[in-house]
Amino acid sequence: GQNIDQPTEMTATEGAIVQINCTYQTSGFNGLFWYQQHAGEAPTFLSYNVLDGLEEKGRFSSFLSRSKGYSYLLLKELQMKDSASYLCAVPDSNYQLIWGAGTKLIIKP
Amino acid sequence: TAGITQAPTSQILAAGRSMTLRCTQDMRHNAMYWYRQDLGLGLRLIHYSNTAGTTGKGEVPDGYSVSRANTDDFPLTLASAVPSQTSVYFCASSDSESGEQFFGPGTRLTVL
Repeated sequence: GQNIDQPTEMTATEGAIVQINCTYQTSGFNGLFWYQQHAGEAPTFLSYNVLDGLEEKGRFSSFLSRSKGYSYLLLKELQMKDSASYLCAVPDSNYQLIWGAGTKLIIKP
Repeated sequence: TAGITQAPTSQILAAGRSMTLRCTQDMRHNAMYWYRQDLGLGLRLIHYSNTAGTTGKGEVPDGYSVSRANTDDFPLTLASAVPSQTSVYFCASSDSESGEQFFGPGTRLTVL
């Protein structure tokens, strides 16, 4: 079956760096998505990894290790507006996304 | 462009009543999805449609039905609402089965 694990909540300081981990178990692998969701709003796409390694996009980077079933989202130079939930998702064998419960990131000044 | 719109924004519904949540996209995406999101749980797929005229069941389809008469619209119907269907409902679309999904603003439904 499919399973995705993320920490429930993390706290970080404005200007710092934070790493949000995601571990997954899938019968096959068709990539891994990260989404951001501000409270009361819809999720928005951040990144998609299908090959091993780090992909950088501005202050946000996403890493994937397929052999370890592991990904992380790295947020640099944290800003107060980064306070949100971060959702990890992987497609199942029918390409339907299986979602983690999300990691609520709290940024403190 | 509007992207994806959902209506209503929120609704309070008496148990046993029926209701249709509306979803419309203007991006000409083939695939559309309905999710529910409950506190402490991840998004759970209710139903999906890979293309107009076809639909499929997701993880939690019981008590819900959908139709996909055209590319743009994907309504979700609750035939006889129960309190456990209290949730936030998100509609999403993507240009392919494996592509990035774009989400509507959500409908907050309370069943009493």
